[in-house]
Amino acid sequence: DQQVKQNSPSLSVQEGRISILNCDYTNSMFDYFLWYKKYPAEGPTFLISISSIKDKNEDGRFTVFLNKSAKHLSLHIVPSQPGDSAVYFCAARRGADGLTFGKGTHLIIQP
Amino acid sequence: GAGVSQTPSNKVTEKGKYVELRCDPISGHTALYWYRQSLGQGPEFLIYFQGTGAADDSGLPNDRFFAVRPEGSVSTLKIQRTERGDSAVYLCASSPMTGREQYFGPGTRLTVT
Repeated sequence: DQQVKQNSPSLSVQEGRISILNCDYTNSMFDYFLWYKKYPAEGPTFLISISSIKDKNEDGRFTVFLNKSAKHLSLHIVPSQPGDSAVYFCAARRGADGLTFGKGTHLIIQP
Repeated sequence: GAGVSQTPSNKVTEKGKYVELRCDPISGHTALYWYRQSLGQGPEFLIYFQGTGAADDSGLPNDRFFAVRPEGSVSTLKIQRTERGDSAVYLCASSPMTGREQYFGPGTRLTVT
């Protein structure tokens, strides 16, 4: 049973617009959430994270929102740029456990 | 500074053979994690080390898989009697301490023929 779900395998957004990537989780014990970006043939690159005690964290063009009651988090990228085209993974963790990842969303930024 | 490095980048082996995959974490990082990523999936946790000891090996799929970190830095993932289903990208990540962001290496692509 998947504990972290990314229901959109792909998303296409025009350059300059906002990209919104969604993630749902089922384990209420998760206390830390992360987003990673991955290019082909490279390892995942850490983007941004949020603790379960917060509902928003912002870093430049990237903002992560956490809705604990809905067990939902989202990553907003604004404005979207061509270099943002990649696969984005949502991940969650309980305490010091290893990360549990979703299957990823392939973001395509169109010129 | 130098990131996480993994060697080899690619490994092709025959079914039944033994393989070793190496991970060099970021200098000073005490926590080290191994993951496995199959095609179309997210990375799947295998094992993590805090210092020299394996703090959690609950993700290792069976007893053919073993990992060590004898001096608290470099780690080796060992797979005995490889099977075709072991084919995947094996990722290593390190963290300055548990409970913080993990930084990934480029991975080792293992192909078992």
